[in-house]
Amino acid sequence: EPEVTQTPSHQVTQMGQEVILRCVPISNHLYFYWYRQILGQKVEFLVSFYNNEISEKSEIFDDQFSVERPDGSNFTLKIRSTKLEDSAMYFCASSAGWGAEAFFGQGTRLTVV
Amino acid sequence: ILNVEQSPQSLHVQEGDSTNFTCSFPSSNFYALHWYRWETAKSPEALFVMTLNGDEKKKGRISATLNTKEGYSYLYIKGSQPEDSATYLCAFIWNFNKFYFGSGTKLNVKP
Repeated sequence: EPEVTQTPSHQVTQMGQEVILRCVPISNHLYFYWYRQILGQKVEFLVSFYNNEISEKSEIFDDQFSVERPDGSNFTLKIRSTKLEDSAMYFCASSAGWGAEAFFGQGTRLTVV
Repeated sequence: ILNVEQSPQSLHVQEGDSTNFTCSFPSSNFYALHWYRWETAKSPEALFVMTLNGDEKKKGRISATLNTKEGYSYLYIKGSQPEDSATYLCAFIWNFNKFYFGSGTKLNVKP
């Protein structure tokens, strides 16, 4: 069964460093998303991406975040200068259509120290 | 930030009990509502995508209803089984592609 895969499963980084979280969405999906869940809090929407551009982003997704689809299969989230409060589980998801069910990856646990 | 509320936060039931949870969301700019089942150490899996007021969806022992005018959806589980133990998340889809999640209802079914 097709699935969304994310790498790495866990990343530890120093505050101020750049991190890139990687995702391979389901191959025939066109809509891609990043979410995060800070421990003990709700899953929060970060960004949606379609047709090689951001279609929606949340208030959380500020200038330190960026997304790209560099090669037609990977979908990446870059955090330029990590802060302690960026520590969270980051989930990638993809869907076949607008508002369609999202298929989630297993998540990347980011720990900023 | 739109507020999506789920209740109760957690629920402990005996095997065979039927149960239901609520998801409340803003009634304006509704596009869709999703229910997801999230087991520990796994990723959320979609249960239902609901778009129309009055929608009722069913998958085995699990069903859901939708009222977009008053802004709520119910998820029902009939005859709960231990394998139903999970967190059930609802997501309100606003403006086509922006997801707002509730904090989930954690269900524990005791054998």
